[in-house]
Amino acid sequence: DVKVTQSSRYLVKRTGEKVFLECVQDMDHENMFWYRQDPGLGLRLIYFSYDVKMKEKGDIPEGYSVSREKKERFSLILESASTNQTSMYLCASNPPGETQYFGPGTRLLVL
Amino acid sequence: QKEVEQDPGPLSVPEGAIVSLNCTYSNSAFQYFMWYRQYSRKGPELLMYTYSSGNKEDGRFTAQVDKSSKYISLFIRDSQPSDSATYLCAKTNTGNQFYFGTGTSLTVIP
Repeated sequence: DVKVTQSSRYLVKRTGEKVFLECVQDMDHENMFWYRQDPGLGLRLIYFSYDVKMKEKGDIPEGYSVSREKKERFSLILESASTNQTSMYLCASNPPGETQYFGPGTRLLVL
Repeated sequence: QKEVEQDPGPLSVPEGAIVSLNCTYSNSAFQYFMWYRQYSRKGPELLMYTYSSGNKEDGRFTAQVDKSSKYISLFIRDSQPSDSATYLCAKTNTGNQFYFGTGTSLTVIP
């Protein structure tokens, strides 16, 4: 079974804090993605990566950065958290040309 | 126009009913379609995927694709309270970019 894990299920942070969300997949997938999910807006793509040290901006990259130093790990960084970044964050991975598998999600609350 | 449009519902049905969930898509350059199930406060779980027009069946679930009308559907037979979740449709052109519907919330009442 494909397994995508995320470092935290719930996080509470203060405005202005630097936040790290980590994602690890154990299936040697090349592609990894970060989405945020908000009611009524669905899934929105933040960043994605097709290979180690490679990253591409998605639809809403502002206020976020990513890091992919190893193939299995894709980190999302909120440089200075703001209240409008309160959301459910979902990591996904897939081998090229195949379906996407999601992690359990991290619910982030920024106060 | 969004790549994938999905009626958000909510949809509420009695246990044992047949459920029909639907999406439309706007771009014909597709590769395959997927349905995900997402329980409250959890990540989406891949339920089914299909490459071609017609039906694909897996137990109580049937995925249907109609390319002529750009319509994708998920049917759930003999619905159970455990089917209560949000269902997301999705498509991909290359396996590198994915487009998701906003999800339909389903409640199956015992």
